[in-house]
Amino acid sequence: GQSLEQPSEVTAVEGAIVQINCTYQTSGFYGLSWYQQHDGGAPTFLSYNALDGLEETGRFSSFLSRSDSYGYLLLQELQMKDSASYFCALLIYNQGGKLIFGQGTELSVKP
Amino acid sequence: DSGVTQTPKHLITATGQRVTLRCSPRSGDLSVYWYQQSLDQGLQFLIQYYNGEERAKGNILERFSAQQFPDLHSELNLSSLELGDSALYFCASSVYPKGRNYEQYFGPGTRLTVT
Repeated sequence: GQSLEQPSEVTAVEGAIVQINCTYQTSGFYGLSWYQQHDGGAPTFLSYNALDGLEETGRFSSFLSRSDSYGYLLLQELQMKDSASYFCALLIYNQGGKLIFGQGTELSVKP
Repeated sequence: DSGVTQTPKHLITATGQRVTLRCSPRSGDLSVYWYQQSLDQGLQFLIQYYNGEERAKGNILERFSAQQFPDLHSELNLSSLELGDSALYFCASSVYPKGRNYEQYFGPGTRLTVT
């Protein structure tokens, strides 16, 4: 099977940088995605890593290391609106584009 | 707005009852996924349909079933409801099997409360 672990909560101040880690166990996957969810709303796609290394999308970057079974989401220049839950998710081999999600990290941005 | 629609937005029902949740994918998407999110929990994958056929299955209870119709909308049927079935149910769609199938578009969800 597959499993992902994330910290349950992270707190940071406005303007700072925060890193949300994700470790995983799986027998095979295409890549690691990140999603954002505000307070029970629809999750929205943020980033995807198919290969090892860093992917940058504006203030958000995501990193993957397959050898370490580890990834992270980096949020820079934090804004109050970044307060939300962040989920990492594995895109599983040969299973129709199936995503397996972690339990999520609740990020609180303080002024 | 993701382009994925779900109805109803809220549903309150009693234990033992049966409900149907409905989802319409984004225009052009052939794949539909159903997820359950309980209070303070992650998104649990239930089932996926691609072009009318079941493609992948998660830890979906036998009391739950789904289907995708020729117009690509999908329905999730939940029967013999229990208090523990109270949750947010999300539908998502993607371009699978084409590229960027790692990006799923989620609907606004149906909040089910079983009393």
